[in-house]
Amino acid sequence: QSVLTQPPSASGTPGQRVTISCSGSSSNIGSNYVYWYQQLPGTAPKLLIYRNNQRPSGVPDRFSGSKSGTSASLAISGLRSEDEADYYCAAWDDSLSGRVVVFGGGTKLTVL
Amino acid sequence: QLQLQESGPGLVKPSETLSLTCTVSGGSISSSSYYWGWIRQPPGKGLEWIGSIYYSGSTYYNPSLKSRVTISVDTSKNQFSLKLSSVTAADTAVYYCARHYVLPDYWGQGTLVTVSS
Repeated sequence: QSVLTQPPSASGTPGQRVTISCSGSSSNIGSNYVYWYQQLPGTAPKLLIYRNNQRPSGVPDRFSGSKSGTSASLAISGLRSEDEADYYCAAWDDSLSGRVVVFGGGTKLTVL
Repeated sequence: QLQLQESGPGLVKPSETLSLTCTVSGGSISSSSYYWGWIRQPPGKGLEWIGSIYYSGSTYYNPSLKSRVTISVDTSKNQFSLKLSSVTAADTAVYYCARHYVLPDYWGQGTLVTVSS
């Protein structure tokens, strides 16, 4: 059971807009930045969004992130076949036992 | 371009200690503001943060693994290392090293470690 909750799967057709949600609490998303990662099959995760809504250089502007309260979302517009991957959200969690990096369980995006 | 490369045994026996090293190239591990961390991913499952270290030696560990984990840094070799003791089959995973400012930005390619007799 992951601290951050993501839907296990999402899908869309080429050209569509898809959103992936990430739900947390006041101790993680509510008080810390959210990052998003894309993991293509057999490869290491790649940073997609940092500090809630910032894109690293080289990431297409089709990818966007947002945060509101204790939830965050990743939106992918103009869906392409190469976007088929697993997507993870992450944040620091300030728990009673200390600061912990927590990940969502991941969302498998299928491009139909 | 910063690169991170994990190295270490791909097979570890149950109850023994898993040891991995991450070699950083294209940048200094002593750079201020950055932490260096380990994340693992069991086959077919999600990501789990293990812990992180600053070049000065200060560390953060996942409480669920803290009693078994040691992360250290060798600035002279531009490397940092992971030791996980008393391993079981549940520790079988791809282990990634990563740099992070707030959260991981650069990742190594990962190395599969299997715990089996």
